[in-house]
Amino acid sequence: EAGVAQSPRYKIIEKRQSVAFWCNPISGHATLYWYQQILGQGPKLLIQFQNNGVVDDSQLPKDRFSAERLKGVDSTLKIQPAKLEDSAVYLCASSLDLAGTDTQYFGPGTRLTVL
Amino acid sequence: AQTVTQSQPEMSVQEAETVTLSCTYDTSENNYYLFWYKQPPSRQMILVIRQEAYKQQNATENRFSVNFQKAAKSFSLKISDSQLGDTAMYFCAFMKRGGNTPLVFGKGTRLSVIA
Repeated sequence: EAGVAQSPRYKIIEKRQSVAFWCNPISGHATLYWYQQILGQGPKLLIQFQNNGVVDDSQLPKDRFSAERLKGVDSTLKIQPAKLEDSAVYLCASSLDLAGTDTQYFGPGTRLTVL
Repeated sequence: AQTVTQSQPEMSVQEAETVTLSCTYDTSENNYYLFWYKQPPSRQMILVIRQEAYKQQNATENRFSVNFQKAAKSFSLKISDSQLGDTAMYFCAFMKRGGNTPLVFGKGTRLSVIA
């Protein structure tokens, strides 16, 4: 079974530029999560989708971050404009939709460096 | 809100020895799950072990076992017969049961296995 796929693996941009990350979850997984992992810390949730609907985006900085999952499968996370403090690893995870008993499986992440 | 605390930023262990990583958490929930995830230098977050709070029996997966003390809100990970491939960041995480809720992570413990 293929795992969670993410691209690109690395991205370096200048501050105020825009960037987009892509995630393809495990086939059949209804729930998709985007986490931000700043160096030296554990991941923190940015946004959670169930199918193509947003379940929780309370921690998403909506003035600069946006995310979509239009067909309920793959997802895109965008930052525009980027700030220095956005330098982090962006992790995508997915899980089955079985009454909240499901383990989350993570992709390899995208390491973003903002100069 | 739930919090997860890992008080050991770094640990080291000799190959073939046993090491225990500590984790405490704070929650008012009664039904939840606890996890240990491993993140090797390649960055892919891998599930090590999972514990359901309603189960009194401690979870075990090969060389990995937990000591779950619900009243004390403690969830430690024991790695027996440590191997060089166990070198990684280890994250303790909490998830409320029901509704595909996000994981709440600790800051992690960096484990180095020394030959």
